[in-house]
Amino acid sequence: DAKTTQPPSMDCAEGRAANLPCNHSTISGNEYVYWYRQIHSQGPQYIIHGLKNNETNEMASLIITEDRKSSTLILPHATLRDTAVYYCIVTANQAGTALIFGKGTTLSVSS
Amino acid sequence: DAGVIQSPRHEVTEMGQEVTLRCKPISGHNSLFWYRQTMMRGLELLIYFNNNVPIDDSGMPEDRFSAKMPNASFSTLKIQPSEPRDSAVYFCASSQDTSNYGYTFGSGTRLTVV
Repeated sequence: DAKTTQPPSMDCAEGRAANLPCNHSTISGNEYVYWYRQIHSQGPQYIIHGLKNNETNEMASLIITEDRKSSTLILPHATLRDTAVYYCIVTANQAGTALIFGKGTTLSVSS
Repeated sequence: DAGVIQSPRHEVTEMGQEVTLRCKPISGHNSLFWYRQTMMRGLELLIYFNNNVPIDDSGMPEDRFSAKMPNASFSTLKIQPSEPRDSAVYFCASSQDTSNYGYTFGSGTRLTVV
């Protein structure tokens, strides 16, 4: 069973920020929050991950609440190419740990 | 780096035939994962290896499925005999224990069993 809950779908206008929520109320102290996305018919692509602190890279920002029970992935200026299924995954960052994917959020970016 | 390489990209076979899917992980990665994706069931983990050793094969659906990793640069997923319900996209992914970039997935093999 996936340890996360995400809305099944979201819409976003091109150029606006896309804020994708994820609930992970049973997260353990040694577990990280990972975000991946899958553009139609391609393999999933790593976006970002974090433990406690907020993280930012060239693709997105990750905001984790202080109690770590939820997080938000932010795409600051969504483009049509960001249309994809976004997966939030909680996992321990240990050797060979397997990622278990849930259903994710289908983000549709429109012009 | 060429990334994770899977072959073939597409496979169409008749029910009852043996199917072998191949994966070359990224050099230096020591974990390898096989996933299957269908519309109904989403992305399912089938099996994963760490340092060429199978760690968890509980996701392998039946004895018809088997996977091997004879060395650090090659893995196979075999289905024998194949059935129409095995039709799916099969992804291979690899990772490095010390990496902060998670998994790298291949482009997948789209299997159709008729």
